[in-house]
Amino acid sequence: DAGVTQTPRHEVAEKGQTIILKCEPVSGHNDLFWYRQTKIQGLELLSYFRSKSLMEDGGAFKDRFKAEMLNSSFSTLKIQPTEPKDSAVYLCASRLWGGAGAETLYFGSGTRLTVL
Amino acid sequence: GDSVTQTEGPVTVSESESLIINCTYSATSIAYPNLFWYVRYPGEGLQLLLKVITAGQKGSSRGFEATYNKETTSFHLQKASVQESDSAVYYCALGDRTQVVGQLTFGRGTRLQVYA
Repeated sequence: DAGVTQTPRHEVAEKGQTIILKCEPVSGHNDLFWYRQTKIQGLELLSYFRSKSLMEDGGAFKDRFKAEMLNSSFSTLKIQPTEPKDSAVYLCASRLWGGAGAETLYFGSGTRLTVL
Repeated sequence: GDSVTQTEGPVTVSESESLIINCTYSATSIAYPNLFWYVRYPGEGLQLLLKVITAGQKGSSRGFEATYNKETTSFHLQKASVQESDSAVYYCALGDRTQVVGQLTFGRGTRLQVYA
């Protein structure tokens, strides 16, 4: 079975550009998460979908970050416009929610974004 | 809000020494926490190491153990004798058994370096 697939692996953008990161969750999983990973803050939640419905939009990240689930097997994270402080690793994760809240999250390898 | 605090790294130990990485949590919006340890080995994606969903219980995997202590709101990760292959970044995470809060809240991560 394929795991969580994220593309691209690396992205370099100029300040002010629009970038789109992509994620394909594990087939059949109904929960999808976007996290940002930095050394200072660790993992910060950007967005959370359950069965394609947006459950959490990450509060502080609302203004320039927009995640969408076009269908159950594909999600995008748009950052518009990018700023140098957005440089980080962006992680996508999915899980098959069964109601217990203890289901394992499966993570992709991440997209490393560098904003110049 | 909910938060997780863990040992600030890097933690450096010699092979065959014992290890403890501290993790404490604050669950202000979660009545029934689930607790997790995730690990990221060099060159790999983040993956589940162990989890515990019931207070007072212990989880174990790959020689690591962690006990969910509701009184001290802690979930420390321990290993009696580390190996060089345990070098990785370890993340403590808090979830919600009732799924009122669907996402996991992660700590900032603790980098462990084991020397031969």
